[in-house]
Amino acid sequence: RKEVEQDPGPFNVPEGATVAFNCTYSNSASQSFFWYRQDCRKEPKLLMSVYSSGNEDGRFTAQLNRASQYISLLIRDSKLSDSATYLCVVKPIYGQNFVFGPGTRLSVLP
Amino acid sequence: DAGVTQSPTHLIKTRGQQVTLRCSPKSGHDTVSWYQQALGQGPQFIFQYYEEEERQRGNFPDRFSGHQFPNYSSELNVNALLLGDSALYLCASRPGNSGGYTFGSGTRLTVV
Repeated sequence: RKEVEQDPGPFNVPEGATVAFNCTYSNSASQSFFWYRQDCRKEPKLLMSVYSSGNEDGRFTAQLNRASQYISLLIRDSKLSDSATYLCVVKPIYGQNFVFGPGTRLSVLP
Repeated sequence: DAGVTQSPTHLIKTRGQQVTLRCSPKSGHDTVSWYQQALGQGPQFIFQYYEEEERQRGNFPDRFSGHQFPNYSSELNVNALLLGDSALYLCASRPGNSGGYTFGSGTRLTVV
């Protein structure tokens, strides 16, 4: 089983739609959680950190369920510019590395 | 404020050759990590440098080595290149041991 797994995608949604991405991680001793977005042939960019109580940044809402080892990202009112690959990232308590999921590709259609 | 800068942006090498990739971290960042990203996959951790020492290593062979300099810049060296080493190599930096990483735009290595 991979350390971090994500919805396989791709997701094709119309502008204005709400879309949710799911992510599960296998290492229960995980400390920090992030969502990154990566545009085609570009570097990953930090979208938001994920906190235990859940957090929101504009149209983006991240949730963490430690008991289920599950992370989610909700995008409301999708824009064309949201089209990208969304990477779920987990950092174990022990160690310095960030573990990336394979990513879920989103295409927002006009 | 320059972010993470990497050089070169693209590189083509022949099997068996050696390559050196370079990275300058974002100003104020002292921790540098290197990742390999194959097409259609998430980045895979190679190793991390802090205070000029390799702090942790991912599941990569000894052909992959690195270095961090006193100014926090870093190099990734790959010896005896294989076709499977073709990928986007990403350098990422952050201040100390907290927060998310800032990534450079990467070096796209093609081994032929």
